[in-house]
Amino acid sequence: SQTIHQWPATLVQPVGSPLSLECTVEGTSNPNLYWYRQAAGRGLQLLFYSVGIGQISSEVPQNLSASRPQDRQFILSSKKLLLSDSGFYLCAWSGIYALGHYGYTFGSGTRLTVV
Amino acid sequence: TQLLEQSPQFLSIQEGENLTVYCNSSSVFSSLQWYRQEPGEGPVLLVTVVTGGEVKKLKRLTFQFGDARKDSSLHITAAQPGDTGLYLCAGATLRDDKIIFGKGTRLHILP
Repeated sequence: SQTIHQWPATLVQPVGSPLSLECTVEGTSNPNLYWYRQAAGRGLQLLFYSVGIGQISSEVPQNLSASRPQDRQFILSSKKLLLSDSGFYLCAWSGIYALGHYGYTFGSGTRLTVV
Repeated sequence: TQLLEQSPQFLSIQEGENLTVYCNSSSVFSSLQWYRQEPGEGPVLLVTVVTGGEVKKLKRLTFQFGDARKDSSLHITAAQPGDTGLYLCAGATLRDDKIIFGKGTRLHILP
């Protein structure tokens, strides 16, 4: 069965420090991968998505970047964190359900607090 | 820009009551999903509806996709405290690989 791993679960980082969040998927090949950020208790904002190794699409201009060095690995990075980068970060992969329609499987999330 | 509006934003009811939450858009979607998210966790997919007018049942939860595939509803019968959480709807198109999320309905069931 397919599983998705995301770490760390919680992170407190000072302003200006670098960031690296990692996400890996097991049990599937060539998944579509996504990074979302969720404001406190509310909606999901798509940050990046990837349909293959080295292929990254950015949805929102910001000081974050993403990379996909391997088929089932997706990394979210920043060179210098801002206070506004605080939030709940979620990695997800999409599978093809009936009739070619999508649904996401999410990781358990990383709570990032920039201080 | 495709938008999904969810209502109500917050709902607090007593255990045993029935409730309906809504997801509306001016856009047509090829499919629509409902997720439930608990604090500190990622959303969990509950159901995907793909056909206009489709109704799916998951125990006490009934999901309906509008005939025009622009809206959906989630009805919970005899709500229980375990139903508490943030309910998110999300719409997909066949044009691209992205899903649009609503902001969610935060449901609290009082014991």
